[in-house]
Amino acid sequence: EVQLVESGGGLVQPGGSLRLSCAASGFTVSSNYMSWVRQAPGKGLEWVSVIYSGGSTYYADSVKGRFTISRHNSKNTLYLQMNSLRAEDTAVYYCARVAAAPPSYFDYWGQGTLVTVSS
Amino acid sequence: QSVLTQPPSVSAAPGQKVTISCSGSSSNIGNNYVSWYQQLPGTAPKLLIYDNNKRPSGIPDRFSGSKSGTSATLGITGLQTGDEADYYCGTWDSSDVVFGGGTKLTVL
Repeated sequence: EVQLVESGGGLVQPGGSLRLSCAASGFTVSSNYMSWVRQAPGKGLEWVSVIYSGGSTYYADSVKGRFTISRHNSKNTLYLQMNSLRAEDTAVYYCARVAAAPPSYFDYWGQGTLVTVSS
Repeated sequence: QSVLTQPPSVSAAPGQKVTISCSGSSSNIGNNYVSWYQQLPGTAPKLLIYDNNKRPSGIPDRFSGSKSGTSATLGITGLQTGDEADYYCGTWDSSDVVFGGGTKLTVL
């Protein structure tokens, strides 16, 4: 059974850093395409980043240069390193698996982890 | 402002049919498959429709999808109170993923 479990969210001050983790089971992260999607309180879904099985990474303009997506193959875990955090980064962050080589859909989602950026 | 345009809300009575539109452009919907996601209150999004009109295992055939040109449509028939949720369309635009702003479905 495919499962995605995010962790690492919390309260952080503006300008601070946080690293989110997404532990996967039921499939191999490194062989798949994985993404982060966020949802600000009361707002819609916003794509954040994707990492291809080959290692290529892409980012939304709103986080480019501040966020880094990566993975740890032996831990079968996806990460999102978030630096220079701003109030507008406050959101629930979901990790999701891309079903096949992009362009493709998200077939599995985690339960999300809340990041709050506030002083 | 979202790249894909959806109506903020739709409503219908139990048992009725509703459609949700998703409008984009040639760089996104016009050249890629569309997927739809259902987000029940307080939960994570769930895949509802993929590749414009395919349903994952376990999704009832009350849910359907279609695409024409740069627009896509989600249809739900035989509405149930359990269908009350936010619905999002999504696709790709170059190397980016784009979503609609979401549509809140109310079953009156």
